[in-house]
Amino acid sequence: EVQLVESGGGLVQPGGSLRLSCAASGFTFSSYEMNWVRQAPGKGLEWVSYISSSGSTIYYADSVKGRFTISRDNAKNSLYLQMNSLRAEDTAVYYCARAERFGELFTWGQGTLVTVSS
Amino acid sequence: SYVLTQPPSVSVAPGKTARITCGGNNIGSKSVHWYQQKPGQAPVLVIYYDSDRPSGIPERFSGSNSGNTATLTISRVEAGDEADYYCQVWDSSSVRVFGGGTKLTVL
Repeated sequence: EVQLVESGGGLVQPGGSLRLSCAASGFTFSSYEMNWVRQAPGKGLEWVSYISSSGSTIYYADSVKGRFTISRDNAKNSLYLQMNSLRAEDTAVYYCARAERFGELFTWGQGTLVTVSS
Repeated sequence: SYVLTQPPSVSVAPGKTARITCGGNNIGSKSVHWYQQKPGQAPVLVIYYDSDRPSGIPERFSGSNSGNTATLTISRVEAGDEADYYCQVWDSSSVRVFGGGTKLTVL
């Protein structure tokens, strides 16, 4: 069964850091492009970051550029999101999602909640 | 940056047809994907590449895309279709863009 499981969320103070992980199973992780998508409480979906299958190509939303870093370890079937200089507006459920042929996000994790508050 | 515009809400009676639009500049030149999200759950892909349905998605769900508007059509709407729906494209500036979402209410 194809599965994505996020972890690492929690409560952090403004200006703090957090590292999210996404464990992949049931498919050849190294063959797929991956994304992070977030959803603030009561709000819509917001794409955060993309990484190619090899990790050589990376993109970020303007809202997180310079503060967040996406990475992957294909040997460990894992995707990561290092989040620094966190702000209250970064409070959201963070999902990792696998991209398919046309860029659609078919497989999603269950999400992990990040709360930035003092 | 590229903007996708969706109506905040659409209401439809059971058994009728719901149409949810997604507006964007020359969106017809892009591939549009649609997601359904129910409360407390992760999004589910219901339409990809404008009009293709993933395995397991009922034929009642269909999509079209032309000009400046993409449309998700749900025929013979059921109570279980009540959810938030989001359109999404891959912009030429190499970012993914989501529409603001549409809450579908089944009356």
